[in-house]
Amino acid sequence: EIVLTQSPATLSLSPGERATLSCRASQSVSNYLAWYQHKPGQAPRLLIYDASNRATGIPARFSGSGSGTDFTLTITNLEPEDFAVYYCQQRSNWPPITFGQGTRLDIK
Amino acid sequence: EVQLVESGGGLVQPGGSLRLSCAASGFSFSSHEMNWVRQAPGKGLEWVSYINRGGSTIYYVDSVKGRFTISRDNAKNSLYLQMNSLRAEDTAIYFCARDNNPLDAFDIWGQGTMVTVSS
Repeated sequence: EIVLTQSPATLSLSPGERATLSCRASQSVSNYLAWYQHKPGQAPRLLIYDASNRATGIPARFSGSGSGTDFTLTITNLEPEDFAVYYCQQRSNWPPITFGQGTRLDIK
Repeated sequence: EVQLVESGGGLVQPGGSLRLSCAASGFSFSSHEMNWVRQAPGKGLEWVSYINRGGSTIYYVDSVKGRFTISRDNAKNSLYLQMNSLRAEDTAIYFCARDNNPLDAFDIWGQGTMVTVSS
């Protein structure tokens, strides 16, 4: 099973700042990595697929990078609606499909 | 509007059973693989099960193998999760999620249904 480790666990930033979230895989997942945003009481939302491709309707301030074992989600110029929990997910070697434990992005 | 709506959650005693449903609308349900994902209280997302378009290929996370059964009815645009021998650790919000194969990701999710296993 591929384990995804996200860091930091919590990130406290102010609107307008830049957020950098990390996801590290226990073995290579090539570029089969996705990022999701999740707010309490809502459906999770796909942001990035195949490591660096923005999903339909996702603003350009969200970007993904990386391949192999190290990945980054960057959110520039944070908007108030961006404060949420973010998860990475791999489906390179599955089953099982695995998620990271999440990074909580809090308003400072 | 493309939509997934889960139902069937509730309070059940340990060892009991529950059947979750997920109603799909706004897209060709039979053309998509589907998944169940859960989130235990205070925890992250955990993939539970996958089913292909015709129902012939099915996978489960190890912790639910032999207890949960995923199925689908393409004529009714519906996905199901039969949960038997429920345990306290199965307490979670259960989401259904549409698999977008070219994207290798889940592109549409429902709002979830809460399952509580407690005596």
